[in-house]
Amino acid sequence: EIVLTQSPATLSLSSGERATLSCRASQSVSSFLAWYQQKPGQAPRLLIYNASNRATGIPARFSGSGSGTDFTLTISSLEPEDFAVYFCQQRSNWPWTFGQGTKVEIK
Amino acid sequence: QVQLQESGPGLVKPSETLSLTCTVSGLSVSSGDYYWNWIRQSPGKGLEWIAYIYYTGNTNYNPSLKSRVTISVDTSKNQFSLKLSSVTAADTAVYYCGRDGGAIVRGLIMDWGQGTLVTVSS
Repeated sequence: EIVLTQSPATLSLSSGERATLSCRASQSVSSFLAWYQQKPGQAPRLLIYNASNRATGIPARFSGSGSGTDFTLTISSLEPEDFAVYFCQQRSNWPWTFGQGTKVEIK
Repeated sequence: QVQLQESGPGLVKPSETLSLTCTVSGLSVSSGDYYWNWIRQSPGKGLEWIAYIYYTGNTNYNPSLKSRVTISVDTSKNQFSLKLSSVTAADTAVYYCGRDGGAIVRGLIMDWGQGTLVTVSS
């Protein structure tokens, strides 16, 4: 199965700062890479699909890039509600798999 | 608005079978082109896709769990279900059901249940 490795494990930032999260796949997933946000006690929420497309209702401060094996999620200016855990997920090969997550915490 | 709700025992004994049901409202499980999914999340293994089912009964299972998992759909009740046999402590997790986005965005979960914690313990 395809292993997704996210870095860093934790990102400590302040509101207004830029967040850059990385996801690396063990083999090419083309552009079939998604990003989800998860807050404590909640299910994940889809943010980005096909590497760079924002899901419905997702603010423009969230953007995704990359293809093949290296992907990035960027939050241009952190809002208080953005402090959460972020997961990448590939749907190129079954079984579809998730990364282990990056926690964006308040510095 | 599509809503999904998991239900089932929160505590299962080792070696027994875990059984969960997902009740869907706001959309028929037999409408459209959606896959209905089970995903679990544990501290040790993170998020893990268990299986999915189409309303016709076509299924796909994660190879790591395939020998122990059965997923089924009941269109008359607008539900789909998960059974995981011979459970161990490693199966302790929050179990989510979810709906994917359809043929164009297969394998993306657009709607999630709230999740239900299942603990395996004697």
